[in-house]
Amino acid sequence: EVQLVESGGGLVKPGGSLRLSCAASGFTFSSYSMNWVRQAPGKGLEWVSSISSSSSYIYYADSVKGRFTISRDNAKNSLYLQMNSLRAEDTAVYYCARVVLGGYAPANWFDPWGQGTLVTVSS
Amino acid sequence: DIQMTQSPSSLSASVGDRVTITCRASQSISSYLNWYQQKPGKAPKLLIYAASSLQSGVPSRFSGSGSGTDFTLTISSLQPEDFATYYCQQSYSTSITFGQGTRLEIK
Repeated sequence: EVQLVESGGGLVKPGGSLRLSCAASGFTFSSYSMNWVRQAPGKGLEWVSSISSSSSYIYYADSVKGRFTISRDNAKNSLYLQMNSLRAEDTAVYYCARVVLGGYAPANWFDPWGQGTLVTVSS
Repeated sequence: DIQMTQSPSSLSASVGDRVTITCRASQSISSYLNWYQQKPGKAPKLLIYAASSLQSGVPSRFSGSGSGTDFTLTISSLQPEDFATYYCQQSYSTSITFGQGTRLEIK
């Protein structure tokens, strides 16, 4: 069974740092691009960052550029999100999601998603 | 960034109704449009990819259509388990964007 399990969320003060992890199982992790998507309480989905299978291509939303760093360890089947200089507006559930390619760029979609981990930024 | 606008933002309907949700892109995205369903407290679930392809395991009452800038998600006969929030998402740009969501409620 394909499974993604996030961890590392919690309460952090403004200006603080947190590192999220996403453990993958049930598929060949090193063959897939991965993403982080977040959802503020009561709000919609916001894409955060993408990383290609070999980490050659990395993209960030403007809202997190310069503060967040996405990375992966294919040997450990794990995806990470290092979050620095956290702000109240970063409070959200953070989901990791696998990217499925449609065979022709840029056709791709997110499936599956992890259950999410809650990050709360508050003093 | 490509802006994705869904309408309506919320919708009340009854079991058995036919429902259509619209998603409009701020520029042409060809058919690079996906639809997700999210229930409260749960992760989003892929329903439709590449505008009109039904994800494996998703009931056939769900269908998607459109290309360019205008897309629709149709549920042919609403079932109790379909009451949820639906999001469109474009993959045309490396800067991925989602619609604001459409909340489907029981009338």
